[in-house]
Amino acid sequence: QKEVEQDPGPLSVPEGAIVSLNCTYSNSAFQYFMWYRQYSRKGPELLMYTYSSGNKEDGRFTAQVDKSSKYISLFIRDSQPSDSATYLCAMQGSQGNLIFGKGTKLSVKP
Amino acid sequence: IAGITQAPTSQILAAGRRMTLRCTQDMRHNAMYWYRQDLGLGLRLIHYSNTAGTTGKGEVPDGYSVSRANTDDFPLTLASAVPSQTSVYFCASRQGGGNSPLHFGNGTRLTVT
Repeated sequence: QKEVEQDPGPLSVPEGAIVSLNCTYSNSAFQYFMWYRQYSRKGPELLMYTYSSGNKEDGRFTAQVDKSSKYISLFIRDSQPSDSATYLCAMQGSQGNLIFGKGTKLSVKP
Repeated sequence: IAGITQAPTSQILAAGRRMTLRCTQDMRHNAMYWYRQDLGLGLRLIHYSNTAGTTGKGEVPDGYSVSRANTDDFPLTLASAVPSQTSVYFCASRQGGGNSPLHFGNGTRLTVT
């Protein structure tokens, strides 16, 4: 089993929809959980950052961590065409380097 | 604007040739990283450096070397390129410690023919 599993999609939704992106992981030692957004031909940029279980909200984005289930989610409310990108989950490994999911490609149709 | 600069943005390289990908950051971050990103495989760590003067191997280090002579620069060298090294290469940095986020450059698209 890979350390981090993420459904690659692609995921296509209409504008205004609620989007749910998810990752599962196997290493119970992970403490820091991040979501990165990557536009085409660009580098990933940090979108959300959480520590331990619970929810964190930032505008239309909510990150959720359930350490007991080893499951993290990113919710996007009122999705916009500008949200079309690849979303990568990431978690901190034992040496301080991040372990990334493979990314989910999202397309929001106007 | 502070950030990470990678050069070149793209390159086509003949197999067997030597190539150095450049990475410079102006944020005075201690830690720097090189990743490659391939379709279906995601981001994989090649080499990292926690501070100037030190380097370490990541998940896929074979065929690559790095150096960290100073805080700002972290070049990645392919001594003798092979077609399997065709990929998009991202340099990243962070201040250090588990609770600081990674900042990425915009990548170098490398094609080895």
